[in-house]
Amino acid sequence: EVQLVESGGIVIQPGGSLRLTCETSGFIFDDYSMHWVRQPPGKGLEWISLLSWDGDDTTFADSVKGRFTISRDNSENSVFLQMNNLSTEDTAFYYCARDGVPLGYRYYFDSWGQGTLVTVSS
Amino acid sequence: EIVLTQSPDTLSLSPGERATLSCRASQSVSSSYIAWYQQTPGQAPKLLIYGASSRATGIPGRFSGSGSGTDFTLTISRLEPEDFAVYSCQHYGSSSTFGQGTKVEI
Repeated sequence: EVQLVESGGIVIQPGGSLRLTCETSGFIFDDYSMHWVRQPPGKGLEWISLLSWDGDDTTFADSVKGRFTISRDNSENSVFLQMNNLSTEDTAFYYCARDGVPLGYRYYFDSWGQGTLVTVSS
Repeated sequence: EIVLTQSPDTLSLSPGERATLSCRASQSVSSSYIAWYQQTPGQAPKLLIYGASSRATGIPGRFSGSGSGTDFTLTISRLEPEDFAVYSCQHYGSSSTFGQGTKVEI
């Protein structure tokens, strides 16, 4: 069974930094590109970042470009999201998601974690 | 950037009824790159449909997707109690944008 489990969400002050972790199991992690998608409470979904299966490609939404970075550790079957210079607009549930296409990426998501809540507030 | 507009915002139906959800793109898109997701309260989204009309693994046959150009539709032929949820469409391919969601309520 494919499983994705996010962790690291907390209440943090504006300007702070935070690292989210997504631990996966049940599939060949090395073969899949991974994404982060966020959802402010009560609002819609927003894709924010991709890291390709081979580590060669990263992309970011304009809303987080220059502040967020994405990385992966294939030995731990995990993907990470480093978030810097956080603002109140970054308050959201953060989901990691698996790309639907192995050995490539198409930006649709066939498996999701349960999410972790990041609250940016003074 | 392609903007997706879903309608209606809320759909009030009863179990056993047919649900028809609309997703309109601000410009013509390849139907190969439209997906639909279901989200129940407190849960992660679940992929229902990709490529506009292909059901994801394990999705029941009562869910179907159709459309082309700028207009896409998700149809639930007969609503089951577990189908009352929020449904979001997505355009994907070289990036990703989502619609604002349609809530299907009892």
